[in-house]
Amino acid sequence: DAKTTQPPSMDCAEGRAANLPCNHSTISGNEYVYWYRQIHSQGPQYIIHGLKNNETNEMASLIITEDRKSSTLILPHATLRDTAVYYCIVRVAGSGNTPLVFGKGTRLSVIA
Amino acid sequence: NAGVMQNPRHLVRRRGQEARLRCSPVKGHSHVYWYRQLPEEGLKFMVYLQKENIIDESGMPKERFSAEFPKEGPSILRIQQVVRGDSAAYFCASSPVGEGNQPQHFGDGTRLSIL
Repeated sequence: DAKTTQPPSMDCAEGRAANLPCNHSTISGNEYVYWYRQIHSQGPQYIIHGLKNNETNEMASLIITEDRKSSTLILPHATLRDTAVYYCIVRVAGSGNTPLVFGKGTRLSVIA
Repeated sequence: NAGVMQNPRHLVRRRGQEARLRCSPVKGHSHVYWYRQLPEEGLKFMVYLQKENIIDESGMPKERFSAEFPKEGPSILRIQQVVRGDSAAYFCASSPVGEGNQPQHFGDGTRLSIL
């Protein structure tokens, strides 16, 4: 089962920042937080991941609380093409690769 | 989803036939994962392979399903004697060798329809 909790849906106005929350209160010290999104009829797209520090790349920013029990994915200027289901996933990192456990995600609708 | 190539994109089979789904990982990636997404549901892990080895098949049904990732060529997910319940989107992902926090990159999937 997924170790994360996300709101089932959110709306965001085009051009505004989209802030997608995720709770992972049982996260372990060696687990990373990953974000993926799935646009209709496509495969999941990797967005960003982090352990405890905030991270930023060309797509988004990831803010992780100091206690690591929750995080927020920020799309700074949402466009219509950002409409998708966004998945927050915690995953053990270590000597090997482990599968991703997807929950139900948040369906983000960007509105013109 | 640049890099991971899956084919065919759409596959139609009749009940009792075999389905073969192919996945070519990102060049240089030696880890391959298969996931299944039933209609209106999230993705579920099926199997994790490295070249010539199955590492974790805990999510794969014990009957009719098999997977391989040979030394040369794509990874293959094979479903024998398909049934209606096998209708789903099957996604392949790959990641490189290295630290375990390497993200997986997905293909656009094969949509399997069983008549």
